[in-house]
Amino acid sequence: GAVVSQHPSRVICKSGTSVKIECRSLDFQATTMFWYRQFPKQSLMLMATSNEGSKATYEQGVEKDKFLINHASLTLSTLTVTSAHPEDSSFYICSATARGAYAQYFGPGTRLLVL
Amino acid sequence: AQSVTQLDSQVPVFEEAPVELRCNYSSSVSVYLFWYVQYPNQGLQLLLKYLSGSTLVESINGFEAEFNKSQTSFHLRKPSVHISDTAEYFCAVSLTGRYSTLTFGKGTMLLVSP
Repeated sequence: GAVVSQHPSRVICKSGTSVKIECRSLDFQATTMFWYRQFPKQSLMLMATSNEGSKATYEQGVEKDKFLINHASLTLSTLTVTSAHPEDSSFYICSATARGAYAQYFGPGTRLLVL
Repeated sequence: AQSVTQLDSQVPVFEEAPVELRCNYSSSVSVYLFWYVQYPNQGLQLLLKYLSGSTLVESINGFEAEFNKSQTSFHLRKPSVHISDTAEYFCAVSLTGRYSTLTFGKGTMLLVSP
């Protein structure tokens, strides 16, 4: 149980384009979803927290107009990187938790490369 | 605010040897403690967690961790490692009671060689 999927697993795009990453909880209802960014050989940096049906809460320093998060249902959250630039290239990981749960369950990650 | 310290960025060990990955945390209130493992180019997998009760928690693949409140530690141990245990290991904490966000340590790379 507690499986979280992400799609796509890898994406390459041109600078200036927008990229959408999906995060799905496959066998549980995710009341809260989190989006992280991980640079090579570093820990995860929390970008934002989203509750189903509510606006996401962004961490300090994360541009909410650049990283659009939508959590429209209890099983799906999306992260859209708008007008992507090479410095946005990174490994993006989502996680999800259910109401009353104490642990986060992570997706496999999405490798974004902006040329 | 909470913080997590993983002093060892890398731990090389031979196969079948024991290993300990250290984790210390700082918090003014009670916390939940977690260990996650990340294999190359993959997301994080929950290895084990301490919420309450017995201070020694075990995973299905032979890892164990012991919560030591007086030393504010949650070290991860395995008596005999395998090549397949090579991965990045992250220690994390969250506030107790109401679910809260995770604060991660910087990770420890466990390198198991034959």
